[in-house]
Amino acid sequence: ETGVTQSPTHLIKTRGQQVTLRCSSQSGHNTVSWYQQALGQGPQFIFQYYREEENGRGNFPPRFSGLQFPNYSSELNVNALELDDSALYLCASSRGLSNSPLHFGNGTRLTVT
Amino acid sequence: GENVEQHPSTLSVQEGDSAVIKCTYSDSASNYFPWYKQELGKGPQLIIDIRSNVGEKKDQRIAVTLNKTAKHFSLHITETQPEDSAVYFCAATSMEYGNKLVFGAGTILRVKS
Repeated sequence: ETGVTQSPTHLIKTRGQQVTLRCSSQSGHNTVSWYQQALGQGPQFIFQYYREEENGRGNFPPRFSGLQFPNYSSELNVNALELDDSALYLCASSRGLSNSPLHFGNGTRLTVT
Repeated sequence: GENVEQHPSTLSVQEGDSAVIKCTYSDSASNYFPWYKQELGKGPQLIIDIRSNVGEKKDQRIAVTLNKTAKHFSLHITETQPEDSAVYFCAATSMEYGNKLVFGAGTILRVKS
């Protein structure tokens, strides 16, 4: 069984730029959630995708957007990067929409300078 | 919205002793409470979860208890080992975000050998 994989593992961007992060869900999982984890804090919910549509969104501005593809993989896009966007971005996959366990990838460490 | 508070922020125990981490939540509609372990450079890993219709759940050296009336739940690790050293996060579902997880701030557990 293949786990959740994320790419790239590390990324450095300049303020104002745009970034795309990628996630492949675990085999058999059709739901993908994205979380932002600042240093020393717990993960914060960004949004979730199910059947290629957004299904729930946290307190993040519209410059955070996403996609889910027919193979259940997903992308997180962030426009107009700000210094505070520097964080570990975690992708988690799960089965369905009920409270099924989230399985996390190892994340993408984004640094904005 | 849901607020999850976690205590203590750091915990040091001697190998073989027990460790207890406590969390409280604010949303009385929350019905799913997972615990995650995060090691350095990795994503959170689910170690145990409990649903609102159950008061206690055990898996080998790990147990979780839930008090819905008081809105708190706890993680108990017995016979701690050095490999238990990591950051532990509790989480609860939030109706505000469409039944998505809200995480606590984390507890750094150090097991001294």
